[in-house]
Amino acid sequence: QVRLVASGGAVAQPGGSLRLSCAASGFSFNRYGMHWVRQAPGKGLEWVAVTSYDETNKNYADSVKGRFTISRDNSKNTLYLQMNSLRAEDTAVYYCAKDYGYSGHYYFDAWGQGTPVTVSS
Amino acid sequence: EIVLTQSPGTLSLSPGERATLSCRTSQSISSSYLAWYQQKPGQAPRLLIYAASSRATGIPDRFSGSGSGTDFTLTISRLDPEDFAFYYCQQYSSSPQTFGGGTKVEIK
Repeated sequence: QVRLVASGGAVAQPGGSLRLSCAASGFSFNRYGMHWVRQAPGKGLEWVAVTSYDETNKNYADSVKGRFTISRDNSKNTLYLQMNSLRAEDTAVYYCAKDYGYSGHYYFDAWGQGTPVTVSS
Repeated sequence: EIVLTQSPGTLSLSPGERATLSCRTSQSISSSYLAWYQQKPGQAPRLLIYAASSRATGIPDRFSGSGSGTDFTLTISRLDPEDFAFYYCQQYSSSPQTFGGGTKVEIK
């Protein structure tokens, strides 16, 4: 059974940093692309970042490019999102999601429960 | 990037009724690379449909997807009380993958 458990969400100040983690189990983590998707309070879903199974291909939404970095440790079955230069508009619940394929170019067939990030002074 | 427009924004129906949700894309989607997700308040989204019309594992057959090109539809044949939720479409034809703004299906 696929399980994704996101953690690391917290309250951060504008300009600050946070690192989110997503622990995966129940599937061969090192064979699938992985994503971060966020949802601002009362809003819809916004894709944030993707990494292929081996980190050779990564991509970011324009809204976070240059500030956020996605990475993974396949030996620990864990996905990360390093968030720097945080802004108020980054306030959201952050979900990790498993891609159907290895490249990260498909649909999301499993989701974590989400971890909340609040950026406020 | 491809923009997805979902309509209506809110659908007010009674249990047992048929729900028809629309998703239109700003460009044609190749190979029907479109998915639908259900999200209930306080929960993560759940995959319902992929490749425009294929049901994900464990999804009841009252959920069906159709469409091609730029016009796609999610149909719930007979609404069950547990189906009242938000629904999002997503295209994965080109990067970045994008979501529609969502449709809320509420109890009338």
